[in-house]
Amino acid sequence: KNEVEQSPQNLTAQEGEFITINCSYSVGISALHWLQQHPGGGIVSLFMLSSGKKKHGRLIATINIQEKHSSLHITASHPRDSAVYICAAPSRGNEKLTFGTGTRLTIIP
Amino acid sequence: DTAVSQTPKYLVTQMGNDKSIKCEQNLGHDTMYWYKQDSKKFLKIMFSYNNKELIINETVPNRFSPKSPDKAHLNLHINSLELGDSAVYFCASSQEKTSAGYSYEQYFGPGTRLTVT
Repeated sequence: KNEVEQSPQNLTAQEGEFITINCSYSVGISALHWLQQHPGGGIVSLFMLSSGKKKHGRLIATINIQEKHSSLHITASHPRDSAVYICAAPSRGNEKLTFGTGTRLTIIP
Repeated sequence: DTAVSQTPKYLVTQMGNDKSIKCEQNLGHDTMYWYKQDSKKFLKIMFSYNNKELIINETVPNRFSPKSPDKAHLNLHINSLELGDSAVYFCASSQEKTSAGYSYEQYFGPGTRLTVT
């Protein structure tokens, strides 16, 4: 069992829908990362959060440390949001990131 | 200006060859990483260097040898390439974690797609 689990693995939605991607982890962490991998392959860091909630444009990330769970939300989804979203958790004391398997999001116009 | 750059972007080579992938970051970060993304798109850490010192070395064959000539560069040399080495290799960098263990955001390079035939 992977130490970082994501759901769903694949998600297809209509443009404009509210999107939620979930991440559960079993490792002790100092912060959780959300990454976006574009269809072209490039990886971009979206958020790094250790508590509460962060917002950037239409993207919102939340984390519940006690429940070891984080969510990534996208409001008013758009076809350009189509990508693979990956959560990653570093173990306490080092920077080794353990990655989830990713969620492939497809937004249909 | 590119923050984290890798060369080459694509590398096609035959089994048994030796090849290198180069990574450079101009962010002034102290820590650099190599990740491997397999055909199923699963990312896994290979190595991490902090100020030219190896701090993470996952279970990677000895054929893989990272080299950090200075803190802005982390190169990956692979000897005796095998079919299973075909993957996308990503370099990343971040600031050094704080004494309290606080992590910093990682910045990724564009990736190097290695194909071993």
